[in-house]
Amino acid sequence: QQQVKQSPQSLIVQKGGISIINCAYENTAFDYFPWYQQFPGKGPALLIAIRPDVSEKKEGRFTISFNKSAKQFSLHIMDSQPGDSATYFCAANTGTASKLTFGTGTRLQVTL
Amino acid sequence: NAGVTQTPKFQVLKTGQSMTLQCAQDMNHEYMSWYRQDPGMGLRLIHYSVGAGITDQGEVPNGYNVSRSTTEDFPLRLLSAAPSQTSVYFCASRHTGGPANEKLFFGSGTQLSVL
Repeated sequence: QQQVKQSPQSLIVQKGGISIINCAYENTAFDYFPWYQQFPGKGPALLIAIRPDVSEKKEGRFTISFNKSAKQFSLHIMDSQPGDSATYFCAANTGTASKLTFGTGTRLQVTL
Repeated sequence: NAGVTQTPKFQVLKTGQSMTLQCAQDMNHEYMSWYRQDPGMGLRLIHYSVGAGITDQGEVPNGYNVSRSTTEDFPLRLLSAAPSQTSVYFCASRHTGGPANEKLFFGSGTQLSVL
């Protein structure tokens, strides 16, 4: 059972464009929603995270939008750069529980 | 500042062989975990530990054993490797004890092929 559904599977965006990756979850007990970025041959690294008490969180060019009623959250990358080309994973967790559940990943390619 | 160190980086096994994937962290993290990453399936939790002497199962524990005798080390054992265990394995760790400590630190992975 896929508790966190992520789309699209892959995404090609031109330099300077906006990249948008979406995730939907089923478990209403989830209360922590991070995004991880992974470059080829490396482990994932935390990019940005949000809790459901806010609808948006921005860090530089990266923004998480959160819709609690729809059980959806998304990552927006503004002014996308070739260096942003990576695989992005959304995830969700419950309180301080240890079982972080990941989405299936989105491979982003930013072209010149 | 090594962070999370995984060894080996690559391994090829024959079906039925056993091996141990090593994971060590130098950040004094209480929580350690193992994930496997497969194409189209994201990262799936195999086993995790919240402290020395404490381990628990994740989403896909079958065929894997773990133990946690020290805070620093969390080895993953494959007792009888199967082709279905061909994957990239990641170890991750973090502090416990509240929202400020939820960032997971990942190792660079072990690519395992079982023939």
